[in-house]
Amino acid sequence: GENVGLHLPTLSVQEGDNSIINCAYSNSASDYFIWYKQESGKGPQFIIDIRSNMDKRQGQRVTVLLNKTVKHLSLQIAATQPGDSAVYFCAENSWNQFYFGTGTSLTVIP
Amino acid sequence: DVKVTQSSRYLVKRTGEKVFLECVQDMDHENMFWYRQDPGLGLRLIYFSYDVKMKEKGDIPEGYSVSREKKERFSLILESASTNQTSMYLCASSAGGFSSGNTIYFGEGSWLTVV
Repeated sequence: GENVGLHLPTLSVQEGDNSIINCAYSNSASDYFIWYKQESGKGPQFIIDIRSNMDKRQGQRVTVLLNKTVKHLSLQIAATQPGDSAVYFCAENSWNQFYFGTGTSLTVIP
Repeated sequence: DVKVTQSSRYLVKRTGEKVFLECVQDMDHENMFWYRQDPGLGLRLIYFSYDVKMKEKGDIPEGYSVSREKKERFSLILESASTNQTSMYLCASSAGGFSSGNTIYFGEGSWLTVV
């Protein structure tokens, strides 16, 4: 499968700080990327997506940045809250196949 | 609201039993997927289907089969459950037939323990 990985397996941030979660991908042909949030015991929940013709997309408190030159994706969470504690993983989409990273576990310290 | 429903959240089965995991989506999506999720390994694709009665093997199809008789329903079958199939199983769906660029939505997962 594709090599979709995350730079850090765990991340701890103080409540109210911004969080940045990174993801590397290896397939230059991938043209669609998604970030998911997975809380303990639950299925992955869609957060935000971005297509390869964009380099930035913003949602509510979240921003995804795409750098196609270095094949890097990041998720920024503004004003991190305790409810943001979860595993976050990225997915890349190429030819109707999705490839997923193993995830970064985000812990928010009150 | 998008909805992928997995009928069984927690199951305990004995080695050698036949196991059915059912999944229903209400979004009229063409594509449906079955993944298993294990610690440190991420999501691994077992089977997918891009149309009724169509199925394609994923990365780890051995020991599994699938059935898609209706567009909204995709079933995963373990013909003879083994302990190494203890895992969390995730069903997912996406629109658009065999093409890229469509969001994939997941169910809540089915935790299977084989003893």
